[in-house]
Amino acid sequence: RKEVEQDPGPFNVPEGATVAFNCTYSNSASQSFFWYRQDCRKEPKLLMSVYSSGNEDGRFTAQLNRASQYISLLIRDSKLSDSATYLCVVNNWDTGGFKTIFGAGTRLFVKA
Amino acid sequence: EAQVTQNPRYLITVTGKKLTVTCSQNMNHEYMSWYRQDPGLGLRQIYYSMNVEVTDKGDVPEGYKVSRKEKRNFPLILESPSPNQTSLYFCASSFIGGEQFFGPGTRLTVL
Repeated sequence: RKEVEQDPGPFNVPEGATVAFNCTYSNSASQSFFWYRQDCRKEPKLLMSVYSSGNEDGRFTAQLNRASQYISLLIRDSKLSDSATYLCVVNNWDTGGFKTIFGAGTRLFVKA
Repeated sequence: EAQVTQNPRYLITVTGKKLTVTCSQNMNHEYMSWYRQDPGLGLRQIYYSMNVEVTDKGDVPEGYKVSRKEKRNFPLILESPSPNQTSLYFCASSFIGGEQFFGPGTRLTVL
């Protein structure tokens, strides 16, 4: 089983739709959680950090459920510019230090 | 401007010819890391460094070396590249546990 698993894509949605991505992680001691966005052939960029209390940034809402080891990202009122790959990221303290594990990513296509 | 720089951006080389990909950051970050990205596999961590002279293996360290002699620099060394190391490589830096900032990527082809 992969340490971080995401919904398989791609998601094809019309403009204005609400879309939700899910991510599960296997290490119960994981420390910090993020959603990154990656455009084709570009570097990943932080979309938002994920906190236990949940957090919202405009049209984007992230939730963390530590008991179920589950992270979600909700995008409301999708825009064409939201088309990208969304990466779930988990940081774990390991015996040697601080490791970062990326999910394989979920591709989103928003169509006019 | 706060940034992570990588060089070269594109490289085509032959099997066995040693190469180094440089990475530099100007944000005084303690944590630096190298990833490779392959289709269907996502980003996988190669090596990371918690601070100067402190490095450790990620999930796919075989065939790679790193060093961290200065806080700002974290070069990735391929002593004897092989075709299975053809990939897109990203360097990243952060404060420990925080948001990682990525370089623009290095596309490496090993023939």
